[in-house]
Amino acid sequence: QVQLVQSGAEVKKPGASVKVSCKASGYTFTSYYMHWVRQAPGQGLEWMGIINPSGGSTSYAQKFQGRVTMTRDTSTSTVYMELSSLRSEDTAVYYCALWRVGFDYWGQGTLVTVSS
Amino acid sequence: SYELTQPPSVSVSPGQTARITCSGDALPKKYAYWYQQKSGQAPVLVIYEDSKRPSGIPERFSGSSSGTMATLTISGAQVEDEADYYCYSTDSSGNQEGVFGGGTKLTVL
Repeated sequence: QVQLVQSGAEVKKPGASVKVSCKASGYTFTSYYMHWVRQAPGQGLEWMGIINPSGGSTSYAQKFQGRVTMTRDTSTSTVYMELSSLRSEDTAVYYCALWRVGFDYWGQGTLVTVSS
Repeated sequence: SYELTQPPSVSVSPGQTARITCSGDALPKKYAYWYQQKSGQAPVLVIYEDSKRPSGIPERFSGSSSGTMATLTISGAQVEDEADYYCYSTDSSGNQEGVFGGGTKLTVL
């Protein structure tokens, strides 16, 4: 069965970077696009961007352009999301979400806390 | 930037029909998707491509879209349907940027 397992919680200082991983299993890794979505405490869902695991092409939300980088490692079926120049407003749960007919599988979420 | 607009809250009694709307200028050209999120959990897809229901989602969940508005309908809402609901779509500008609506808190009591 499809599983998306994300890396553990992180605490970072303002200005630092964070890299979150999402290891996929149960399907052909290169067959479906992966998205990243975040949710600040008590707030709604926010789309961050998409990566094609097959060729590695990416597209990012305008809001995160220049600060976010999404990559993949086909040898381990893992996608990564790195966010730089962190600020307190980046405190959120970050999800990877697999797109087949919609976001029909989600990772468990990774809490990133940005605090001095 | 493109926006999808949802009502902040909807409230119904058990057994009643709940309707949650999502409006966006690109919806005549782009599909709407609906997600249910219960407290502390990851979202779950309940409707895709405007009106299709994934396997395992109860039949009381349905979707429709007309013009610039998509609607999620829960016929005979149950207490366990109490959750936040989000619509999702993409803009039509060509960059295919994804966007979620602000979310609607459904209260069933």
